[in-house]
Amino acid sequence: KNQVEQSPQSLIILEGKNCTLQCNYTVSPFSNLRWYKQDTGRGPVSLTIMTFSENTKSNGRYTATLDADTKQSSLHITASQLSDSASYICVVSDNDMRFGAGTRLTVKP
Amino acid sequence: NAGVTQTPKFRVLKTGQSMTLLCAQDMNHEYMYWYRQDPGMGLRLIHYSVGEGTTAKGEVPDGYNVSRLKKQNFLLGLESAAPSQTSVYFCASSPQEGGWYTEAFFGQGTRLTVV
Repeated sequence: KNQVEQSPQSLIILEGKNCTLQCNYTVSPFSNLRWYKQDTGRGPVSLTIMTFSENTKSNGRYTATLDADTKQSSLHITASQLSDSASYICVVSDNDMRFGAGTRLTVKP
Repeated sequence: NAGVTQTPKFRVLKTGQSMTLLCAQDMNHEYMYWYRQDPGMGLRLIHYSVGEGTTAKGEVPDGYNVSRLKKQNFLLGLESAAPSQTSVYFCASSPQEGGWYTEAFFGQGTRLTVV
């Protein structure tokens, strides 16, 4: 069983709308949690990185939250743009980086 | 800034053929990694290196070999390709300080098909 589970698997929204992606993990002990954006045919690019003591971190229209007690994280995208269409990958680190399978987001005009 | 560069970007192999994937980074990073990405699964670590001349096995090392003769290069070899090795391969690097706990930078990927 994957130690990092993401939901939903895929999501379609209209341009300008907000959305929230979920990441649940069982990795323990826990060092940090990262969200990556992966455009089609490209490598992952970091959006945010949070340690266990951080609850929220923003990067422009992207806001990540972390609840280390419930082992849950979310990535909120505000005022979506067509360029937000990508896969979003949650990565939880102990001594190793453990990758979720990603959420495929499609933003339609 | 080049960052992490992978060569080639695409390749089709016949079963049993061999090939080498090259990863080059210009950020003077100590740590380098090779991952494979398959549909519906997270990236899985094949092999990694914590410095020049060192390599170690990851989660799915069987059928692959690696070498880190120069700090900036990390080679992934397939000695006898199998259809199960059809995948997208990603190389990544990260600085020595913090190791796993710092930012990892990824290459653009190599799409390998074994027929």
